[in-house]
Amino acid sequence: GQSLEQPSEVTAVEGAIVQINCTYQTSGFYGLSWYQQHDGGAPTFLSYNALDGLEETGRFSSFLSRSDSYGYLLLQELQMKDSASYFCAVEGNTPLVFGKGTRLSVIA
Amino acid sequence: DAGVTQSPTHLIKTRGQQVTLRCSPKSGHDTVSWYQQALGQGPQFIFQYYEEEERQRGNFPDRFSGHQFPNYSSELNVNALLLGDSALYLCASRGSSRGLIVPYEQYFGPGTRLTVT
Repeated sequence: GQSLEQPSEVTAVEGAIVQINCTYQTSGFYGLSWYQQHDGGAPTFLSYNALDGLEETGRFSSFLSRSDSYGYLLLQELQMKDSASYFCAVEGNTPLVFGKGTRLSVIA
Repeated sequence: DAGVTQSPTHLIKTRGQQVTLRCSPKSGHDTVSWYQQALGQGPQFIFQYYEEEERQRGNFPDRFSGHQFPNYSSELNVNALLLGDSALYLCASRGSSRGLIVPYEQYFGPGTRLTVT
């Protein structure tokens, strides 16, 4: 089977940096994705890592270590609009298995 | 360019009834997946359609069935509704290359909020 673990809640101050970790167990692994979902909205794609290392897209970066079955999403220069739920998702033998999500609250 | 569209946006049904949800994929996408998202949880994979066939299926009972049409749009049908079927139903699309599904960046629709009473 496949399972993912990520913290349920994180709170950070506007302008700061926050890291959301994700560990996974999967049968077959193609890559690790991150999605953002605002309340009442649809998940939107943030990043995808198929190989070890860091991928950077603007204020967001994502890291993967395949040997450790671990990844993280790094959000820099936090803004109030970044308050949302963040999901890691594994692409393996089943298309996109999602974690339960991390609710990020950005405070002033 | 229209993204993924879903209809209806909200639906209220009674236990035991049947429901059909509809999805049109993003232009150029040929693969459609359906997810169920309960409140406070991550989306759970129901099934995926490609070339009008169910390609993969998650851990959902046979009450959940689907269809993909030649224009790549898709329907999700749920029979004998239970209270526990109340959730947000998300459709997502992605493209493929030479029959291989591109393994990243699914585009999600806004979802259909189903309430079963």
